[in-house]
Amino acid sequence: NAGVMQNPRHLVRRRGQEARLRCSPMKGHSHVYWYRQLPEEGLKFMVYLQKENIIDESGMPKERFSAEFPKEGPSILRIQQVVRGDSAAYFCASSPEVAAQETQYFGPGTRLLVL
Amino acid sequence: AQKITQTQPGMFVQEKEAVTLDCTYDTSDPSYGLFWYKQPSSGEMIFLIYQGSYDQQNATEGRYSLNFQKARKSANLVISASQLGDSAMYFCAMREGPGYQKVTFGIGTKLQVIP
Repeated sequence: NAGVMQNPRHLVRRRGQEARLRCSPMKGHSHVYWYRQLPEEGLKFMVYLQKENIIDESGMPKERFSAEFPKEGPSILRIQQVVRGDSAAYFCASSPEVAAQETQYFGPGTRLLVL
Repeated sequence: AQKITQTQPGMFVQEKEAVTLDCTYDTSDPSYGLFWYKQPSSGEMIFLIYQGSYDQQNATEGRYSLNFQKARKSANLVISASQLGDSAMYFCAMREGPGYQKVTFGIGTKLQVIP
């Protein structure tokens, strides 16, 4: 049973370009979460999605960032017109249900570097 | 107020010794879950152990145990018989209502195991 998969593992972009980060949840998991980890910090919640629905995007910057989880295919986190401050590790997690006791299983992360 | 507080930025432990990593939390929700994750230098987030707010017993998983003191709102991680491979960042995290969709992380403790 494959774990959460993310690609690419490393992504380099120049300022002003777009970054697309992909996440395939664990088999049987319909809940996907995106987190951002800035250097020397813990993970910060960005967005929670179910298939075709954004449930909670309270942690997502209002501009340039968007997320989707289509009916078919992986979840995508899109960052438009990247800036140096977007450089971070972006983690995707998934869970089968949403409850206090449900563990979120994390992917290996995508390290974004903006030059 | 910080939801999750980890006051030890770094810890050293001798190989084969036990070590306790501190974590305190803040919530008014009676139903919540507490988690510990390990992040080695390779960067992935590895789930270690879970404790539910209604659990009567302290959680244990192999060499990991969680010292849950509900009245004090603390959830310390105890690693017994430390190994060199335990050197990593350790994050305490909490999942609470409403919705339980987001996990809040502490800033982490860097553990180094000395041979």
